[in-house]
Amino acid sequence: QVQLQESGPGLVKPSQTLSLTCTVSGGSISSGSYYWSWIRQPAGKGLEWIGRIYTSGSTNYNPSLKSRVTISVDTSKNQFSLKLSSVTAADTAVYYCARVRQVPADDYYYYYYMDVWGKGTTVTVSS
Amino acid sequence: DIQMTQSPSSLSASVGDRVTITCRASQSISSYLNWYQQKPGKAPKLLIYAASSLQSGVPSRFSGSGSGTDFTLTISSLQPEDFATYYCQQSYSTPRYSFGQGTKLEIK
Repeated sequence: QVQLQESGPGLVKPSQTLSLTCTVSGGSISSGSYYWSWIRQPAGKGLEWIGRIYTSGSTNYNPSLKSRVTISVDTSKNQFSLKLSSVTAADTAVYYCARVRQVPADDYYYYYYMDVWGKGTTVTVSS
Repeated sequence: DIQMTQSPSSLSASVGDRVTITCRASQSISSYLNWYQQKPGKAPKLLIYAASSLQSGVPSRFSGSGSGTDFTLTISSLQPEDFATYYCQQSYSTPRYSFGQGTKLEIK
């Protein structure tokens, strides 16, 4: 079955760019009608959705992070990536990648839900 | 932005109890509502999608209901492995998939 694994530096300095990669195994990132998403969770707090990408390269971002976020996909490596610029201590969190499944709700709309998650990687922003 | 509010924020219950967690949206989201379970140090796990559809492999003691602004997650008979934090999440307002703040279910 499909598995996701996050990777990247665990420590990033303030004002620098956080870069993470999610590697998809057990299936092709290009197969099926899936989006691929990033979510984060500060220690002891709730979940925050960061953004998603389709394998065509189409992206959607959380408006509160949009000016600093870039999500990209590399289908040849079966990976998608997150870049978050100008980080501060408030960006310290566990970062998860997830597969977003879409199923038809009616003729025009889809249900979206995150059915496969990576284990998460902790990123600390500190000098 | 659509705000998702869960109640209660925490809940104590015993094995075998029937438990209900509520999620309320700040505006109608039809049935575009998902529920996740998260255990300490682990990634969230999908339980329910589209308000009431049980994800494959999830025990049938979990059920979801609701539409519009009010939703519930019910665990019919609590098992020891069910003690965790539960989150609702809306997918109506694409692309911002906002989550509720979580409900921590603890052992009484």
